[in-house]
Amino acid sequence: GQNIDQPTEMTATEGAIVQINCTYQTSGFNGLFWYQQHAGEAPTFLSYNVLDGLEEKGRFSSFLSRSKGYSYLLLKELQMKDSASYLCAVRGMYSSASKIIFGSGTRLSIRP
Amino acid sequence: GAVVSQHPSWVICKSGTSVKIECRSLDFQATTMFWYRQFPKQSLMLMATSNEGSKATYEQGVEKDKFLINHASLTLSTLTVTSAHPEDSSFYICSARGGTEPLQAFFGQGTRLTVV
Repeated sequence: GQNIDQPTEMTATEGAIVQINCTYQTSGFNGLFWYQQHAGEAPTFLSYNVLDGLEEKGRFSSFLSRSKGYSYLLLKELQMKDSASYLCAVRGMYSSASKIIFGSGTRLSIRP
Repeated sequence: GAVVSQHPSWVICKSGTSVKIECRSLDFQATTMFWYRQFPKQSLMLMATSNEGSKATYEQGVEKDKFLINHASLTLSTLTVTSAHPEDSSFYICSARGGTEPLQAFFGQGTRLTVV
């Protein structure tokens, strides 16, 4: 089975930095995704990690430790538009139909 | 990134009727498509996985006779909610995988279904 845990809600201040953690337990692992989702909209892709380490992309960075079953998404220089849900998702063992399973999502609120 | 188009964006239907939702990959061939459902303030729950030309694989607890999935071509998958009831009201989202980035799944815009 697969289990993905992330905090339900977080609050941060505009201009600051926030780290959203995700832990997972899966039967097989072939990559971890972070998506952003604004209310009423479809998720948009932020990052993909398959090897250990940090991937940086502008204001957003994502880290993965496969041995610990742990990832985090780091958002810098927070803007009001970053208020959204952030979804951690894990892909199982590689096959033509391997599934991407989502965590419950973290609702991030940015205050001025 | 690749483009996935989902139609309609929203639909209101009467209880007992059927609704068809289309998911198209516009600029790549989608070998696999996924259908998710999302209730308010909850995450995406995978309903089924479909590969072109074969039967869909449904997740536990999802009724295959109620949620009919057809993946007849490499660019089109459809989800038909049969005999819809108010409890089927939800946000349905498809995602497609294939093309030059086979490990990633690209999402459609989602369909908000309201059954009255």
